[in-house]
Amino acid sequence: DAGVIQSPRHEVTEMGQEVTLRCKPISGHNSLFWYRQTMMRGLELLIYFNNNVPIDDSGMPEDRFSAKMPNASFSTLKIQPSEPRDSAVYFCASTPSWGYNEQFFGPGTRLTVL
Amino acid sequence: ELKVEQNPLFLSMQEGKNYTIYCNYSTTSDRLYWYRQDPGKSLESLFVLLSNGAVKQEGRLMASLDTKARLSTLHITAAVHDLSATYFCAGDSSGYALNFGKGTSLLVTP
Repeated sequence: DAGVIQSPRHEVTEMGQEVTLRCKPISGHNSLFWYRQTMMRGLELLIYFNNNVPIDDSGMPEDRFSAKMPNASFSTLKIQPSEPRDSAVYFCASTPSWGYNEQFFGPGTRLTVL
Repeated sequence: ELKVEQNPLFLSMQEGKNYTIYCNYSTTSDRLYWYRQDPGKSLESLFVLLSNGAVKQEGRLMASLDTKARLSTLHITAAVHDLSATYFCAGDSSGYALNFGKGTSLLVTP
């Protein structure tokens, strides 16, 4: 079984550039979560979707961050413009059903903004 | 909002010893989850505790849940180096999103 797939695995970009992170959840899972992990702040929930609909985006740090889920098998997290403080590991996770929340995490995208 | 606190945050222990990691949470949580993260890797689900009194064991790790005390524990028996990792607990009071603790970094030394 393929797990959660994220791309790219590593991204290095310069301040001001647009960054797009991609996630493919496990087939059949209908909830998807984006997290950010840093040493200073730990694991932070940014946004989550249920059945492709954003449920809570209160964790999105600024308007520079946006996320979409156009279909059940694909989601993007976009940062525009990127800043050095956005450097972190971004994880995507999915769960199989509403109300039972064992989350399965992807490998993460390590983002470095110079 | 559900707050989850773990202690200790850092733990160095010798191989062969036993120890317990504690996870306290602030409000009612329907379930409690434990995850493991190796350095530079993703989070791997270890245990899902569904109800009061639940106990689950996998190898040298045993997790338990006391919903009345709002406490979960992760007990390590006869630690080995392979258990070195960061362990997170998480609760879900809202029915969908998880609230994670800060994690306990465990180092098992010879």
